[in-house]
Amino acid sequence: EAGVAQSPRYKIIEKRQSVAFWCNPISGHATLYWYQQILGQGPKLLIQFQNNGVVDDSQLPKDRFSAERLKGVDSTLKIQPAKLEDSAVYLCASSSYSGGQYNEQFFGPGTRLTVL
Amino acid sequence: GEDVEQSLFLSVREGDSSVINCTYTDSSSTYLYWYKQEPGAGLQLLTYIFSNMDMKQDQRLTVLLNKKDKHLSLRIADTQTGDSAIYFCAESKGYNKLIFGAGTRLAVHP
Repeated sequence: EAGVAQSPRYKIIEKRQSVAFWCNPISGHATLYWYQQILGQGPKLLIQFQNNGVVDDSQLPKDRFSAERLKGVDSTLKIQPAKLEDSAVYLCASSSYSGGQYNEQFFGPGTRLTVL
Repeated sequence: GEDVEQSLFLSVREGDSSVINCTYTDSSSTYLYWYKQEPGAGLQLLTYIFSNMDMKQDQRLTVLLNKKDKHLSLRIADTQTGDSAIYFCAESKGYNKLIFGAGTRLAVHP
């Protein structure tokens, strides 16, 4: 079974530029998550999708971050414009959902963003 | 608040046991998790414990849960160099939202 795929693996941009990350979850997983992991910290949930609907985006800085999962499969996370403090690893995860229960989250390798 | 707290660093000798500790905040969390992160890799689920249990054993891993003190620990028996990594404790809230600690870096030396 293929895992969660993310691209690019690394990205370096200057502040005020825009950047987009892509995630393809495990086939059949209805729930998709984007986490931000700043160096030396644990991951923090930015947004959670159930199919193509948003379940939780309470910690997404909506003035600059946006995310979509239009067809309920792959997803993109965008930052526009980027700030220095956005330098982090962006992790995508997916989980199946059955019987009213969320199952284990599987994580992708992440995209390391450096903002100069 | 939403803080999950862990000690930041642990150094052990190969073959010894490692114990990584964590305190969490939400007594209503249904599941508590331990994840492992190796350099350049994503997070790997090691084990989890349901909140109505107080212990779970899985090969070399033992998880202990003290609900009264909101304390979780992970014991790794016979620690090997391949166990060197960062270990994250996490609690689940709401719709499977994971709240992670800052991670404990485990260094295993000969």
